Amino acid sequence: AQSVTQLGSHVSVSEGALVLLRCNYSSSVPPYLFWYVQYPNQGLQLLLKYTTGATLVKGINGFEAEFKKSETSFHLTKPSAHMSDAAEYFCAVTLMDTGRRALTFGSGTRLQVQP
Amino acid sequence: DAGVIQSPRHEVTEMGQEVTLRCKPISGHDYLFWYRQTMMRGLELLIYFNNNVPIDDSGMPEDRFSAKMPNASFSTLKIQPSEPRDSAVYFCASRKSGVSNWALNTEAFFGQGTRLTVV
Repeated sequence: AQSVTQLGSHVSVSEGALVLLRCNYSSSVPPYLFWYVQYPNQGLQLLLKYTTGATLVKGINGFEAEFKKSETSFHLTKPSAHMSDAAEYFCAVTLMDTGRRALTFGSGTRLQVQP
Repeated sequence: DAGVIQSPRHEVTEMGQEVTLRCKPISGHDYLFWYRQTMMRGLELLIYFNNNVPIDDSGMPEDRFSAKMPNASFSTLKIQPSEPRDSAVYFCASRKSGVSNWALNTEAFFGQGTRLTVV
């Protein structure tokens, strides 16, 4: 079975500072990994995904994430936070080579951006 | 495309009543997922369909929950009877499978959710 752990339910940064949201996964086979963002009273929107190929993945709104198999991690970063980045972020996983096509989500990290 | 459409956006009902949540997936998408989001448990997969057929309903909490997909453009999630602990935001999502490589079409598109309150 697959799972993801997001370290830190709340992260607060100053505007212009580096954003780092942590995600570690557990799976017995190669994973597909995702980051979704949820704004208040909205559904989830895909930021980026890793399936195969390049381990550094760039997404929308200046976010990127790096798949590190040795560390079983897929941390989300952004060099400079903007006020509009305040939202909840979810890491998710599904597995290659299985019949399961649904995502398993982490518990989420709420990002606050201070002016 | 209008995206995944869920209705209603908000539902308040009394304990014991039947509740039906509705979802219209994106046209052409052959996977449909129902998720529930609560503060305590986060995002949980309830059930998903492929080509209108339920594939995995292991996340459905109890027999009070049922889901149907009578055609490619419509799905319902029904709770009967409803209980206060069912209060949550219910999301529907859809995805299109890849022709030859599933990895190419892994993004699931989410609706805006239905906020259910059972009092």
